[in-house]
Amino acid sequence: ETGVTQSPTHLIKTRGQQVTLRCSSQSGHNTVSWYQQALGQGPQFIFQYYREEENGRGNFPPRFSGLQFPNYSSELNVNALELDDSALYLCASSPGTGRGRGSGANVLTFGAGSRLTVL
Amino acid sequence: DQQVKQNSPSLSVQEGRISILNCDYTNSMFDYFLWYKKYPAEGPTFLISISSIKDKNEDGRFTVFLNKSAKHLSLHIVPSQPGDSAVYFCAASTWGGKLTFGQGTILTVHP
Repeated sequence: ETGVTQSPTHLIKTRGQQVTLRCSSQSGHNTVSWYQQALGQGPQFIFQYYREEENGRGNFPPRFSGLQFPNYSSELNVNALELDDSALYLCASSPGTGRGRGSGANVLTFGAGSRLTVL
Repeated sequence: DQQVKQNSPSLSVQEGRISILNCDYTNSMFDYFLWYKKYPAEGPTFLISISSIKDKNEDGRFTVFLNKSAKHLSLHIVPSQPGDSAVYFCAASTWGGKLTFGQGTILTVHP
């Protein structure tokens, strides 16, 4: 059983550029969530995808967007990068049914993250 | 608005003793609580969870306690081992997949 894999592991961009981060969910998991972890902070929810549609969103501007593909893999796109976007971006998958409850929906399997630096 | 708070940035414990990590929350709509641990260069790993209808859940050396009236949960690790040294995050949920995390507590277990 493969876990959650993310790419790239590290990348450096400049202000105003665009970035795409990729995530392959764990086998059997159909829901993908993205989190941003700034230095010294806990992960912060960006959005969730279920059945190729955005299923919930945190307090992030529209320049943060995503996609989910039929094989449940996902992309996070960030446009017009700002210095404050520098962070570790974590992808997590779960076998839940979108906004389910209990352990199946809430126990997430995280990838190792993509470290984005914006200069 | 920090809905989940871990007020201790770090905790240092001797091997074999008990480690107690604490977490407070403000949102009474949270109905599921989890603890994750994170090693450097790895993603957070699920440790243990508890539903709001329970006040205690045990899994081996790990026990989570939930005090709903105080909006407080704690993680007990007994006995602590050097391999437990990591960053521990508590998290709370109102619906599946949308977790609100605390800032984390760095646990160091000394041999």
